Amino acid sequence: GENVEQHPSTLSVQEGDSAVIKCTYSDSASNYFPWYKQELGKRPQLIIDIRSNVGEKKDQRIAVTLNKTAKHFSLHITETQPEDSAVYFCAAESGGGADGLTFGKGTHLIIQP
Amino acid sequence: NAGVMQNPRHLVRRRGQEARLRCSPMKGHSHVYWYRQLPEEGLKFMVYLQKENIIDESGMPKERFSAEFPKEGPSILRIQQVVRGDSAAYFCASSPLGQGTYEQYFGPGTRLTVT
Repeated sequence: GENVEQHPSTLSVQEGDSAVIKCTYSDSASNYFPWYKQELGKRPQLIIDIRSNVGEKKDQRIAVTLNKTAKHFSLHITETQPEDSAVYFCAAESGGGADGLTFGKGTHLIIQP
Repeated sequence: NAGVMQNPRHLVRRRGQEARLRCSPMKGHSHVYWYRQLPEEGLKFMVYLQKENIIDESGMPKERFSAEFPKEGPSILRIQQVVRGDSAAYFCASSPLGQGTYEQYFGPGTRLTVT
């Protein structure tokens, strides 16, 4: 089955700086990679996703890159703001859209004022 | 358009009791996924259901856990004879799939505490 590794587990950056979170996956058949943001006690919220036929996707301050050959994908947040503080999870899905997601263990992002 | 609904939000059960968790998908979504989240950990896939069908239950413990998604009404995750290790947050997510999209949208979760 799929295995997703996520690094770092904790990331502290100064407000205004960029943050990068990296994930690797094991199943070369995986073709959908979403990122979720979860604030304390709240539901995971989908913030961006990428499919295997695309190498990069951007939405305002958030971007995701995918390297299928190396089986890794990354989340980039630019111009970080205090409200970006949360736990971020990467995930992979390998069943052609019909499987459950395999999640990384999460990255606790702390934005220092 | 209401989001994914789960109830109850908090559930306390004594060891040996049964827990029933409910999930109503977003309007127009016919695919439901259940995940379990332990404190300080990521979400673990448990089961994937469509109406009246279990598609994939590879993440579900073999004993005491069951799930259903009837033709009418919410999806239900049932845990029999709960033990302390079942204490966790249980999230369901729904997806429209069949419409060419993969996105899964999560409900607010049910926090189960076993005393």
